[in-house]
Amino acid sequence: QSALTQPASVSGSPGQSITISCTGTSSDVGRYNFVSWYQQHPGQAPKLMIYEVTKWPSGVSNRFSGSKSGNTASLTISGLQAEDEADYYCCSYAGNSLIFGGGTKLTVL
Amino acid sequence: EVQLVESGGGLVKPGGSLTLSCATSGFTFSDAWMTWVRQAPGKGLEWVGRINRKSGGGTADYAAPVKGRFTISRDDSKNTLHLQMNSLKTEDTAVYYCCNYDRGSMESWGQGTLVTVSS
Repeated sequence: QSALTQPASVSGSPGQSITISCTGTSSDVGRYNFVSWYQQHPGQAPKLMIYEVTKWPSGVSNRFSGSKSGNTASLTISGLQAEDEADYYCCSYAGNSLIFGGGTKLTVL
Repeated sequence: EVQLVESGGGLVKPGGSLTLSCATSGFTFSDAWMTWVRQAPGKGLEWVGRINRKSGGGTADYAAPVKGRFTISRDDSKNTLHLQMNSLKTEDTAVYYCCNYDRGSMESWGQGTLVTVSS
Protein backbone atom coordinates (compact mmCIF):
# COMPACT_ATOMS: atom_id res chain seq x y z
CA GLN A 1 0.00 0.00 0.00
CA SER A 2 1.31 3.45 -0.90
CA ALA A 3 1.59 6.29 1.57
CA LEU A 4 -1.24 8.77 1.74
CA THR A 5 -0.52 11.95 -0.23
CA GLN A 6 0.07 15.20 1.64
CA PRO A 7 1.56 18.48 0.41
CA ALA A 8 5.21 18.74 1.38
CA SER A 9 4.77 22.18 2.88
CA VAL A 10 2.21 24.82 3.72
CA SER A 11 2.59 28.23 5.29
CA GLY A 12 0.48 30.94 6.85
CA SER A 13 0.70 34.08 8.93
CA PRO A 14 -0.31 34.31 12.57
CA GLY A 15 -4.07 34.50 12.92
CA GLN A 16 -4.76 33.01 9.52
CA SER A 17 -6.23 29.58 8.75
CA ILE A 18 -4.56 26.83 6.78
CA THR A 19 -5.71 23.45 5.52
CA ILE A 20 -3.60 20.35 4.96
CA SER A 21 -5.01 17.70 2.65
CA CYS A 22 -4.48 13.96 2.85
CA THR A 23 -5.46 11.89 -0.18
CA GLY A 24 -5.83 8.15 -0.08
CA THR A 25 -7.97 5.61 -1.87
CA SER A 26 -11.31 3.87 -1.56
CA SER A 27 -9.51 1.15 0.43
CA ASP A 28 -8.38 3.41 3.23
CA VAL A 29 -9.46 7.05 3.68
CA GLY A 30 -12.56 6.58 1.55
CA ARG A 31 -13.64 3.38 3.26
CA TYR A 32 -13.11 4.00 6.96
CA ASN A 33 -13.83 6.88 9.33
CA PHE A 34 -10.56 6.16 11.14
CA VAL A 35 -8.40 9.03 9.97
CA SER A 36 -6.11 10.61 12.54
CA TRP A 37 -3.70 13.53 12.51
CA TYR A 38 -0.41 13.95 14.38
CA GLN A 39 1.74 16.97 15.17
CA GLN A 40 5.49 16.55 15.55
CA HIS A 41 7.89 19.24 16.67
CA PRO A 42 11.60 18.74 15.93
CA GLY A 43 13.21 16.19 18.19
CA GLN A 44 9.93 15.24 19.84
CA ALA A 45 7.53 12.33 19.60
CA PRO A 46 4.36 12.83 17.58
CA LYS A 47 1.19 13.97 19.32
CA LEU A 48 -2.35 12.93 18.43
CA MET A 49 -4.39 15.97 17.38
CA ILE A 50 -7.48 14.50 15.68
CA TYR A 51 -8.96 10.99 15.65
CA GLU A 52 -11.90 9.39 13.86
CA VAL A 53 -11.75 12.17 11.24
CA THR A 54 -13.23 14.94 13.40
CA LYS A 55 -12.73 14.22 17.11
CA TRP A 56 -10.38 15.95 19.54
CA PRO A 57 -8.39 14.12 22.21
CA SER A 58 -8.54 15.68 25.63
CA GLY A 59 -6.39 18.78 25.87
CA VAL A 60 -6.14 19.53 22.14
CA SER A 61 -7.23 23.00 21.07
CA ASN A 62 -10.42 23.29 19.02
CA ARG A 63 -8.42 25.51 16.63
CA PHE A 64 -7.59 22.17 15.03
CA SER A 65 -10.41 20.54 13.08
CA GLY A 66 -10.71 17.59 10.75
CA SER A 67 -12.97 16.64 7.89
CA LYS A 68 -13.27 14.14 5.07
CA SER A 69 -14.79 14.05 1.61
CA GLY A 70 -14.48 10.94 -0.47
CA ASN A 71 -10.88 9.74 -0.48
CA THR A 72 -9.46 13.00 0.90
CA ALA A 73 -9.22 14.03 4.53
CA SER A 74 -8.25 17.49 5.69
CA LEU A 75 -6.83 19.17 8.77
CA THR A 76 -7.65 22.83 9.27
CA ILE A 77 -5.82 24.99 11.76
CA SER A 78 -7.49 28.31 12.51
CA GLY A 79 -5.98 31.31 14.27
CA LEU A 80 -2.43 30.18 13.47
CA GLN A 81 0.05 30.59 16.28
CA ALA A 82 3.83 30.41 16.26
CA GLU A 83 3.78 27.16 18.25
CA ASP A 84 1.76 25.47 15.50
CA GLU A 85 4.90 25.38 13.36
CA ALA A 86 5.64 21.67 13.09
CA ASP A 87 5.33 18.62 10.87
CA TYR A 88 1.86 17.14 10.48
CA TYR A 89 1.04 13.58 9.49
CA CYS A 90 -2.26 12.00 8.58
CA CYS A 91 -2.94 8.32 9.13
CA SER A 92 -5.74 6.02 7.98
CA TYR A 93 -6.91 2.58 8.95
CA ALA A 94 -6.83 0.24 5.96
CA GLY A 95 -8.19 -3.07 7.12
CA ASN A 96 -5.54 -4.90 9.12
CA SER A 97 -3.00 -2.12 8.69
CA LEU A 98 -2.45 1.59 9.09
CA ILE A 99 -1.05 3.96 6.49
CA PHE A 100 0.62 7.31 7.13
CA GLY A 101 0.91 10.28 4.87
CA GLY A 102 4.33 11.56 3.91
CA GLY A 103 4.03 14.54 6.21
CA THR A 104 3.54 18.28 5.75
CA LYS A 105 5.83 20.94 7.15
CA LEU A 106 3.84 23.92 8.41
CA THR A 107 5.69 27.21 8.53
CA VAL A 108 4.19 30.14 10.44
CA LEU A 109 5.48 33.25 8.70
CA GLU B 1 -0.72 9.81 33.47
CA VAL B 2 0.05 7.45 30.60
CA GLN B 3 3.74 6.65 30.26
CA LEU B 4 5.46 4.59 27.57
CA VAL B 5 9.21 4.06 27.82
CA GLU B 6 11.05 2.26 25.03
CA SER B 7 14.42 0.61 25.48
CA GLY B 8 16.75 -1.80 23.72
CA GLY B 9 17.83 0.27 20.74
CA GLY B 10 21.41 0.37 19.52
CA LEU B 11 23.81 -0.46 16.74
CA VAL B 12 23.46 -3.82 15.01
CA LYS B 13 24.99 -5.30 11.87
CA PRO B 14 22.89 -6.17 8.81
CA GLY B 15 21.39 -9.61 9.26
CA GLY B 16 21.48 -9.28 13.02
CA SER B 17 18.72 -9.29 15.61
CA LEU B 18 17.52 -6.92 18.29
CA THR B 19 14.62 -6.87 20.73
CA LEU B 20 12.96 -3.62 21.81
CA SER B 21 10.85 -3.29 24.93
CA CYS B 22 8.25 -0.75 25.98
CA ALA B 23 7.41 -0.40 29.67
CA THR B 24 3.99 1.11 30.24
CA SER B 25 2.01 2.63 33.10
CA GLY B 26 -1.01 4.83 33.69
CA PHE B 27 -3.54 2.68 31.86
CA THR B 28 -4.84 -0.88 31.86
CA PHE B 29 -2.26 -2.48 29.61
CA SER B 30 -4.04 -5.82 29.35
CA ASP B 31 -7.11 -4.09 27.86
CA ALA B 32 -5.13 -2.15 25.28
CA TRP B 33 -4.21 -2.72 21.69
CA MET B 34 -0.60 -1.65 21.17
CA THR B 35 1.39 -0.58 18.13
CA TRP B 36 4.92 0.15 16.97
CA VAL B 37 5.65 3.05 14.63
CA ARG B 38 9.08 3.94 13.24
CA GLN B 39 10.69 6.99 11.72
CA ALA B 40 13.86 6.80 9.64
CA PRO B 41 16.25 9.74 10.09
CA GLY B 42 14.81 12.82 8.40
CA LYS B 43 11.84 10.85 7.08
CA GLY B 44 8.15 10.41 7.86
CA LEU B 45 6.27 8.04 10.12
CA GLU B 46 5.79 4.40 9.16
CA TRP B 47 3.47 1.93 10.87
CA VAL B 48 5.28 -1.27 11.85
CA GLY B 49 2.56 -3.39 13.41
CA ARG B 50 -0.02 -3.84 16.14
CA ILE B 51 -1.09 -6.46 18.66
CA ASN B 52 -4.55 -7.19 19.97
CA ARG B 53 -5.28 -7.67 23.64
CA LYS B 54 -5.18 -11.24 24.91
CA SER B 55 -8.94 -11.31 25.39
CA GLY B 56 -9.24 -10.60 21.66
CA GLY B 57 -6.86 -13.37 20.73
CA GLY B 58 -3.56 -11.55 21.16
CA THR B 59 -2.96 -11.65 17.43
CA ALA B 60 -0.61 -9.29 15.62
CA ASP B 61 -0.63 -7.59 12.21
CA TYR B 62 2.47 -6.30 10.44
CA ALA B 63 3.42 -3.90 7.69
CA ALA B 64 4.63 -5.58 4.51
CA PRO B 65 8.30 -4.46 4.84
CA VAL B 66 8.69 -6.21 8.21
CA LYS B 67 6.33 -9.17 7.93
CA GLY B 68 8.13 -12.43 8.57
CA ARG B 69 11.11 -10.67 10.18
CA PHE B 70 9.54 -8.78 13.11
CA THR B 71 7.42 -10.20 15.93
CA ILE B 72 5.34 -8.18 18.37
CA SER B 73 4.55 -9.72 21.73
CA ARG B 74 3.19 -8.60 25.06
CA ASP B 75 3.69 -9.50 28.70
CA ASP B 76 0.55 -8.40 30.50
CA SER B 77 2.01 -9.45 33.88
CA LYS B 78 4.72 -6.80 33.43
CA ASN B 79 2.72 -4.26 31.40
CA THR B 80 5.41 -4.51 28.75
CA LEU B 81 5.37 -4.65 24.95
CA HIS B 82 8.17 -6.20 22.89
CA LEU B 83 9.35 -5.99 19.31
CA GLN B 84 11.70 -8.75 18.21
CA MET B 85 13.51 -7.81 15.03
CA ASN B 86 15.40 -10.41 12.99
CA SER B 87 17.26 -10.31 9.68
CA LEU B 88 17.72 -6.58 10.09
CA LYS B 89 18.41 -4.45 7.02
CA THR B 90 19.99 -1.03 6.70
CA GLU B 91 16.56 0.34 5.79
CA ASP B 92 15.29 -0.67 9.24
CA THR B 93 17.39 2.14 10.73
CA ALA B 94 14.92 4.37 12.53
CA VAL B 95 13.57 5.65 15.80
CA TYR B 96 11.01 3.12 17.01
CA TYR B 97 8.00 4.39 18.95
CA CYS B 98 5.65 2.38 21.12
CA CYS B 99 2.04 3.61 21.20
CA ASN B 100 -1.27 2.58 22.68
CA TYR B 101 -3.87 2.20 19.97
CA ASP B 102 -7.59 2.81 19.96
CA ARG B 103 -10.22 3.70 17.39
CA GLY B 104 -7.70 3.68 14.55
CA SER B 105 -5.29 6.11 16.19
CA MET B 106 -2.15 6.17 18.32
CA GLU B 107 -3.25 7.92 21.51
CA SER B 108 0.00 8.17 23.44
CA TRP B 109 3.60 7.81 22.30
CA GLY B 110 6.84 6.95 24.00
CA GLN B 111 9.98 9.01 23.46
CA GLY B 112 11.34 6.44 21.02
CA THR B 113 14.49 4.34 20.83
CA LEU B 114 17.00 4.53 17.98
CA VAL B 115 17.95 1.42 16.04
CA THR B 116 20.92 1.73 13.70
CA VAL B 117 21.64 -1.09 11.27
CA SER B 118 25.11 -0.67 9.83
CA SER B 119 28.24 -2.66 9.20
